[in-house]
Amino acid sequence: SAVISQKPSRDICQRGTSLTIQCQVDSQVTMMFWYRQQPGQSLTLIATANQGSEATYESGFVIDKFPISRPNLTFSTLTVSNMSPEDSSIYLCSVETDRAPYIQYFGAGTRLSVL
Amino acid sequence: GIQVEQSPPDLILQEGANSTLRCNFSDSVNNLQWFHQNPWGQLINLFYIPSGTKQNGRLSATTVATERYSLLYISSSQTTDSGVYFCAVQTQGGSEKLVFGKGTKLTVNP
Repeated sequence: SAVISQKPSRDICQRGTSLTIQCQVDSQVTMMFWYRQQPGQSLTLIATANQGSEATYESGFVIDKFPISRPNLTFSTLTVSNMSPEDSSIYLCSVETDRAPYIQYFGAGTRLSVL
Repeated sequence: GIQVEQSPPDLILQEGANSTLRCNFSDSVNNLQWFHQNPWGQLINLFYIPSGTKQNGRLSATTVATERYSLLYISSSQTTDSGVYFCAVQTQGGSEKLVFGKGTKLTVNP
């Protein structure tokens, strides 16, 4: 298994500002993922972040809005830029084990409210 | 892409009751995971079960890969079982995203 620390756990932000969310893992992993969960909805993948390469974004998500860094095998950040109330969601990072079975584990999430 | 359907969408139980949650998927999978999201938003791994049957305490799960469905059984439910249960699948091993169903919201009343 993997222990994932995500911070902040929650934040309230003003429209037009940016927030950076941090994700720290207790072991080295190749695959890290960032998900968004809008109120009352399921999880949607934003992007896959591999160390040493640019993040791969899913349809509907762009780098200018959600820049991601992956400087090493235990850490990643997601920035939510130029926020609007529609960005109010829970943002979760996850990691996948490097060997089979490929199990994903999730951080506790960041609950973001944009006013 | 693969479709994941969960049923029922909502379920209300009295403490002590048993329940069965279902997950149907539209294609072959290499990975299927069940999660419990508690009221604080934390997503907790319950089972990794691309096929077969597993049990963990009051919870058990069965996946019939050839028929493309999985079942999560909760026995003797407790109020702490409340939350949303998600099924998620992956069509290839490693480096492939998990596709989530819409979840089953379970409420267990005392």
